[in-house]
Amino acid sequence: NAGVTQTPKFQVLKTGQSMTLQCAQDMNHNSMYWYRQDPGMGLRLIYYSASEGTTDKGEVPNGYNVSRLNKREFSLRLESAAPSQTSVYFCASSEGVVGIYGYTFGSGTRLTVV
Amino acid sequence: RKEVEQDPGPFNVPEGATVAFNCTYSNSASQSFFWYRQDCRKEPKLLMSVYSSGNEDGRFTAQLNRASQYISLLIRDSKLSDSATYLCVVVNGDSNYQLIWGAGTKLIIKP
Repeated sequence: NAGVTQTPKFQVLKTGQSMTLQCAQDMNHNSMYWYRQDPGMGLRLIYYSASEGTTDKGEVPNGYNVSRLNKREFSLRLESAAPSQTSVYFCASSEGVVGIYGYTFGSGTRLTVV
Repeated sequence: RKEVEQDPGPFNVPEGATVAFNCTYSNSASQSFFWYRQDCRKEPKLLMSVYSSGNEDGRFTAQLNRASQYISLLIRDSKLSDSATYLCVVVNGDSNYQLIWGAGTKLIIKP
C-alpha cells in the first residue's frame, strides 16, 4: 500500500539549476498539493490541484511550476533554483480540497540549493 | 500576527503525565480544525479532527473554543512514543478552503 510516493528523497542543486520533483498517489484522490516546510514555520502551500486538469497557486508559488499529469501524478518544477528554495518539500493528496478525512503525505524531499 | 500560532516548546514531560497545549487562530470564519503529528524527519500524519463539541480518541482529547479562537490537545498517560511535534491545522474560512498550518509544538516524553 504505497500511498503517496515522492522522488527524489534528497537533492543538492547549484544556484540556477533546474529540477522536477515527482509525486504519485495510488488512492484515487482527486486533490493533490505541494508544500514546503522550513524551520520555525508551518507548512506553506506552493501549488495545489483540486482535481485532474486544474492547478492553482498557493501561498508561495513564485519560482515554481506544477503539472497535474493525470489523476495520479502531480509534479513540481524549479526552473532556476535559488538558495531561498532550500527546504523540505512534501507532496500530499486528499479526497477533497478541505481534506476532512486528512491529507496523506509523501515522505518528503530534502532539497539544498548552494 | 500569524494566522495560526502554537507554542513551539519543547514540552519536556515525564512518562505517564498529562500534557496539554493550545493553538490560536486569527480567522473567525475558520470552519474545520485538525491536529497532525510529525515525527522527526518524517511526514505529518493526521492525529484527529477537532469537532465543535470536543472529541476523544483513546488518550487524546481535542477541544475547540470558538469564542476565544483556540483549539487544544490533551494527552493523558503519556507514552515515550508520543514524543513528536504536534501540528495545529485550520481550514481557511475564505473561499479557497486552504489549510493553514501552525509551526508545531515539540513534545518530548522522558522515561
